[in-house]
Parts: sequence; structure tokens; C-alpha cells
Amino acid sequence: GENVEQHPSTLSVQEGDSAVIKCTYSDSASNYFPWYKQELGKGPQLIIDIRSNVGEKKDQRIAVTLNKTAKHFSLHITETQPEDSAVYFCAARTYNNNDMRFGAGTRLTVKP
Amino acid sequence: EAGVTQSPTHLIKTRGQQATLRCSPISGHTSVYWYQQALGLGLQFLLWYDEGEERNRGNFPPRFSGRQFPNYSSELNVNALELEDSALYLCASSGREANYGYTFGSGTRLTVV
Repeated sequence: GENVEQHPSTLSVQEGDSAVIKCTYSDSASNYFPWYKQELGKGPQLIIDIRSNVGEKKDQRIAVTLNKTAKHFSLHITETQPEDSAVYFCAARTYNNNDMRFGAGTRLTVKP
Repeated sequence: EAGVTQSPTHLIKTRGQQATLRCSPISGHTSVYWYQQALGLGLQFLLWYDEGEERNRGNFPPRFSGRQFPNYSSELNVNALELEDSALYLCASSGREANYGYTFGSGTRLTVV
């Protein structure tokens, strides 16, 4: 089955700096890669996703890149703000399979 | 459109008791997933229900069980509660399209004392 690894487990950056979180997956059949943000006391919220037919997707300060050959994908947050502080989870899902595997999460702290 | 709703928001139980958690998926979603999230840790997969049947189960003891109703809502039952069952229990739903993500509810915070 699919196995998703996420690094780093914790990340602390200064406000205005960029943050990068990386994930690798094992199942080459995976074709959908979402990223979730979880704020304290809340459920994870989808912030961006990418499908296997594209290599990069951007939404304002957030971007995700996908390298299918190397089986890794990354979340990039530019111009970080204190409200970006949260736990971020990556995930991978395989076509025709509802089973989505999550990374272990990254706790991002943006210091003002 | 209403999101995934979970009830209750908080639940306090005594060790050995039973807890029942409820989840209503987004309208049109047929799959419901349950996850356990202990404090500060990752998402541990519990159960997946689709079309009223259990499709997959995580590495949890049999005292964790559940069901899905004809309207696709679901409940999670935890019997013989133990202190380490204290966690945030998250429910998520998805449609039949495999290339879309899950939508999570806000969770039920279960505290076992």
C-alpha cells in the first residue's frame, strides 16, 4: 500500500520568510496530492491540491510542486505570516481507490 | 452547502464506559472516514464506510466500531473506554471521484477520566 513520508516534523521561520515542506510517496499509481492545514482545535482544511498531470500549481502565497519521477511533492509558502502557523499534512491518493494516506504532519511556527 | 458536521463537540466519559460519536457527511458524499488524532500527533486511520459497508479498518482493537446509515451519516462507537482513548476524533467525507480530497469535520474531543 501507499506510504507517505513528510519532513520536517517542525519548522520555525521568521515572518516574511519562505517555508517549504516536503513529502515522498511510494505508490507510483498515486495521482492526487492534497495539502491540509490544521489550526489548533479545528479539523484539517484543504488548502491546495495537485493532480499527477501537472507539475506545479500556485494559489497566491501557496504553491505545490510535484515530481512524479522522484515520487515527491512539496508545499511552498512565501511571505509567511503569523496566521500561517499551524500543522500541515500532505496526502496521496490513488485513482479508483478511496484510501488516502497522510503524512505525519509538520508543525509550522511563524515568528513575528 | 453544509460541511461535514460532527457531534458532540466535546465528550467526557469515565474509563470503562462507552462513547458514541456522530458524523453527517456533505450532501452527495457516500464515503465516511474516521480518524483518531492524539494530542499533537498525526492522523491515525480508524475506519472507512461506503454505501453502508465497512470498506477498510485501521490498526485499532475491535472495541472501536461503527456503522453507516442509509442517509450516509455515520457513528463511531468506542467500548470499554481507556484513558489513552482520549483524543480528537475526526470524521471526513468524500464523493465517488477518487481524484478529490476529503472534507473534514471539526472533530469530537473525547476525554476519558
